Amino acid sequence: SYVLNQPPSVSVPPGKTARITCGGSNIGSKSVHWYQKKPGQAPEVVIYSDSDRPSGIPERFSGSNSGNTATLTISWVEAGDEADYYCQVWESSGDLVVFGGGTKLTVL
Amino acid sequence: QVQLQESGPGQVKPSQTLSLTCTVSTGSISGTTYYWSWIRQPTGKGLEWIGRIYTSGRPNYNPSLTSRVSISLDTSQKQFSLTLTSVTAADTAIYYCAAADYYGLTDYWGQGIRVIVS
Repeated sequence: SYVLNQPPSVSVPPGKTARITCGGSNIGSKSVHWYQKKPGQAPEVVIYSDSDRPSGIPERFSGSNSGNTATLTISWVEAGDEADYYCQVWESSGDLVVFGGGTKLTVL
Repeated sequence: QVQLQESGPGQVKPSQTLSLTCTVSTGSISGTTYYWSWIRQPTGKGLEWIGRIYTSGRPNYNPSLTSRVSISLDTSQKQFSLTLTSVTAADTAIYYCAAADYYGLTDYWGQGIRVIVS
């Protein structure tokens, strides 16, 4: 089955840029969605279809996808961005939804 | 706008069957293009897709759970349900029902229900 690999944790100081990667075989050919998950809350989409941003999500959140790696970039990181982030794709051969293992973003 | 609410027991004994229901608040559960989905987060772990069902198709399940899981749809009650058999402590998790598109983009989530296997 298709596997998405994320680093367990990423730490950045406030005001800096956080980059969270999501690795998968030829993931560039798939549409990647990113979710923010805070404790006690349901996940929320922050980026969909590789690089689109839902209404209400700050422009500081952006995404890219090429080759074997998709990346979520959070510019000018704020304390409120501290959360777990998950990438997700649809795997066509099995008609399955796959989540990455998640990355804990810590704002130092 | 779609609102979802999970319901069911908060505790299940090992080897028994976990059954949860999701009630959907929308015009018509069958008149949409959503895939009605179940996703869980085991304690201390990441999100895990359990499976989904479309109004006109058969359900799809996570291969790791397919021998124990079943998802069904009751359009008249605007509900869909999850059944997981032979549960163990590893099935202790927060279970979310959700509405997703064909590519798995999950726009709408329930608040989640914590189920403890003990």
